[in-house]
Amino acid sequence: NAGVMQNPRHLVRRRGQEARLRCSPMKGHSHVYWYRQLPEEGLKFMVYLQKENIIDESGMPKERFSAEFPKEGPSILRIQQVVRGDSAAYFCASSPATGDNEQFFGPGTRLTVL
Amino acid sequence: GENVEQHPSTLSVQEGDSAVIKCTYSDSASNYFPWYKQELGKRPQLIIDIRSNVGEKKDQRIAVTLNKTAKHFSLHITETQPEDSAVYFCAAISVAGGNMLTFGGGTRLMVKP
Repeated sequence: NAGVMQNPRHLVRRRGQEARLRCSPMKGHSHVYWYRQLPEEGLKFMVYLQKENIIDESGMPKERFSAEFPKEGPSILRIQQVVRGDSAAYFCASSPATGDNEQFFGPGTRLTVL
Repeated sequence: GENVEQHPSTLSVQEGDSAVIKCTYSDSASNYFPWYKQELGKRPQLIIDIRSNVGEKKDQRIAVTLNKTAKHFSLHITETQPEDSAVYFCAAISVAGGNMLTFGGGTRLMVKP
């Protein structure tokens, strides 16, 4: 089992560009969560998805941010018109469909906005 | 929603001593409490977890206790080693509040050789 995969590991964007972050959950996991970690801070929940459904997006900014988890392929977190304050580490986690609470984290994508 | 507070924010101990990190939570419906260790530039790694039907759990040098009445839980590391140095996060999940983890602010543990 390869574990949770995220790519890219590092992403540099200029202000106003778009950032696309990808997450492939562990095999057999159908629940995906995105968290953001600002420098020197804890992790904050952004969005919770199951295949083709957004279950909870209460932690995601209303503008510029969107997420999807299509029937085929990875989950994608999309940030449009990035600003310097979007610079952070974005972690994806997955859990099994059984409702087990344990979440397994990917290596993260470190986004730097110039 | 759930709110998790974690103390202390930094903790320095001598190698071989014990370290204790404490967390409180606000939502009485929370039922799962994991602890994560995060080394610099790495992902959070689960080191131990406890569910609300258990008061204490131990795994070698690491133990976690849970007091549901007081809504607090603690991480205990005995016989600390330099490789225990990292940032530790507590977290809670409330089924009623959704399936997301609410994290504490983290504790930077430094173990001096």
